Amino acid sequence: EIVLTQSPATLSLSPGERATLSCRASQSVGTLLAWYQQKGGQAPRLLIYDTSNRATGIPARFSGSGSGTDFTLTISSLEPEDFAVYYCQQRGNWPPYTFGQGTKVEI
Amino acid sequence: QVQLQESGPGLVKSSETLSLTCSVSGAPITSYYWTWVRQPPGKGLEWIGYTYYNGITNYNPSLNSRVTILVDTSKNKFSLKLSSVTAADTAVYYCARVRPGNWFDPWGQGTLVKVSS
Repeated sequence: EIVLTQSPATLSLSPGERATLSCRASQSVGTLLAWYQQKGGQAPRLLIYDTSNRATGIPARFSGSGSGTDFTLTISSLEPEDFAVYYCQQRGNWPPYTFGQGTKVEI
Repeated sequence: QVQLQESGPGLVKSSETLSLTCSVSGAPITSYYWTWVRQPPGKGLEWIGYTYYNGITNYNPSLNSRVTILVDTSKNKFSLKLSSVTAADTAVYYCARVRPGNWFDPWGQGTLVKVSS
């Protein structure tokens, strides 16, 4: 099973700042990695798939990069609605699909 | 657009079977794969399994012996059964569509299931 390790666990930033979230896989997943956003009490929402493709309706301030075992989600300028928990997920080697433990972006 | 809604008992007794249903609107259930994911309170996400209308299924090996996911094409719904539950199965259970490319989008709002002793 591929283990995804996200860092940091918590990121404390202010609106307008740049957020950089990391996801590291225990073995290569190629570019088969996605990012989800989860706000309090809500379901996760797909943000980025196949490492760098934004899902429908996702603002351009969200971008993804990486390959193999190291991936990054960047939020170029934080908006108030971006403060949430972010999860990475792989489908490079499954079953099972696996998720990281999450990074909380807080004000 | 595609919308999903989970339903089922919010409380299940230990050792019994958890049963949930996901109602799909906005698309024929025969058009996509469908999946279940769960999230214990305050914790991360765990993939449970997926299904296709023709009977294809794939389950998380950690749950494989206890899980059944089925599609009801007549009702445009799919279901989750998890047997022999324990307190560790207490979680919010989400259903989701498996979009082309095998990513999960969109998700239902989730339903909390507590396992009581």
